Amino acid sequence: GEDVEQSLFLSVREGDSSVINCTYTDSSSTYLYWYKQEPGAGLQLLTYIFSNMDMKQDQRLTVLLNKKDKHLSLRIADTQTGDSAIYFCAESNDYKLSFGAGTTVTVRA
Amino acid sequence: DTAVSQTPKYLVTQMGNDKSIKCEQNLGHDTMYWYKQDSKKFLKIMFSYNNKELIINETVPNRFSPKSPDKAHLNLHINSLELGDSAVYFCASSQGTGGTGETQYFGPGTRLLVL
Repeated sequence: GEDVEQSLFLSVREGDSSVINCTYTDSSSTYLYWYKQEPGAGLQLLTYIFSNMDMKQDQRLTVLLNKKDKHLSLRIADTQTGDSAIYFCAESNDYKLSFGAGTTVTVRA
Repeated sequence: DTAVSQTPKYLVTQMGNDKSIKCEQNLGHDTMYWYKQDSKKFLKIMFSYNNKELIINETVPNRFSPKSPDKAHLNLHINSLELGDSAVYFCASSQGTGGTGETQYFGPGTRLLVL
């Protein structure tokens, strides 16, 4: 969507780190989310971060938030073939989620 | 023990027909949503219901009519189907009114193809 922007594609070698970037426009968003969509499946919530946090770590996932620049990133450490999917960034406002267009991550051997 | 289920999974139909997609959640959530994902994977909310009351109604043609018989079900009826309605429709649910920290749980999607 026009309010949330992401790069469309990322190719990464197995075992390397992946970094997916996202920018958003609504400074009043209180929560920002990362969802994962595997082929032919629905969306699965990976993680979210409250807007007063700079960083959140959950096992292989690290979320960084730069509220001043309205920039959100998701880092996946030790990327595996099972991480191949589309990753959506989303911001919450007015009781709804606004999604980015999704970043397709391809993991190559 | 599926949390959010949708039927049918695939729907192929002719232009001009009327069709319905059904969604059920067994999570005891108060809020349910319909999203549309187009061929470019762009995902956009269409409707949201909280305890059977409509709370979000985005700019969607009035050929689309959601119906919530109870808070565990949210169905989507589409009249006079058009080619541009071809997409994947996702149902989701959340405990509260969504967005602010509420996790939304998504169904597997209904793949609609209008010929």
